[in-house]
Amino acid sequence: EVQLVESGGGLVKPGGSLRLSCLASGFTFSHYSMNWVRQAPGKGLEWVSSISSSSNFIYYADSVKGRFTVSRDNAKNSLYLQMDSLKAEDTAVYYCARGQYSGSYYGVSWGQGTLVTVSS
Amino acid sequence: EIVLTQSPGTLSLSPGERVTLSCRASQSVTSSYLAWFQQKPGQAPRLLIYDASTRATAIPDKFSGSGSGTDFTLTISRLEPEDFAVYYCQQYGNSPFTFGPGTKVDIK
Repeated sequence: EVQLVESGGGLVKPGGSLRLSCLASGFTFSHYSMNWVRQAPGKGLEWVSSISSSSNFIYYADSVKGRFTVSRDNAKNSLYLQMDSLKAEDTAVYYCARGQYSGSYYGVSWGQGTLVTVSS
Repeated sequence: EIVLTQSPGTLSLSPGERVTLSCRASQSVTSSYLAWFQQKPGQAPRLLIYDASTRATAIPDKFSGSGSGTDFTLTISRLEPEDFAVYYCQQYGNSPFTFGPGTKVDIK
């Protein structure tokens, strides 16, 4: 069974940093692209970032480009999102989602999300 | 950036009804790389359809997707109580891989 467990969320002040992690199990992690999608309270889904299976291709939303960095460690079955220079508008539940295959960028399986709150 | 528009914003329907949801793109979606998701309150999204018309694993055939270019449709043939939710489309043909704003289907 595919499992994705996000961690690392919490309360941070504007301008601060957080690192989110997503631990994967139940599938061969290194074979699949991975994605981060967020959802602000009461709002819709917003795609944040995607990374191909071997990290050769990385994509970011304009709203986070230059502030967020996605990475993965296939040996540890883990996906990461380093978030710097955080703003109030980054407050959201952050989901990690597995792609369909190596270079697909829609979420087939999703974690339950981790809440990031940016507030002073 | 491809902007996706979903209409209507909210639909109030009764169980048993057929529903058609629209997703319109500001420019042509490469290779019909469009997905549909369902999300219920407090839950993560669930993939329903990918590549515009292919049902995801374990998705019942009451859900169907169609379309190409800039116009896409998700149809639920007969609404059941568990289908009342928010539905999102997402294009993944060109980065940024944008979502539409969602259509809420609620009980009349």
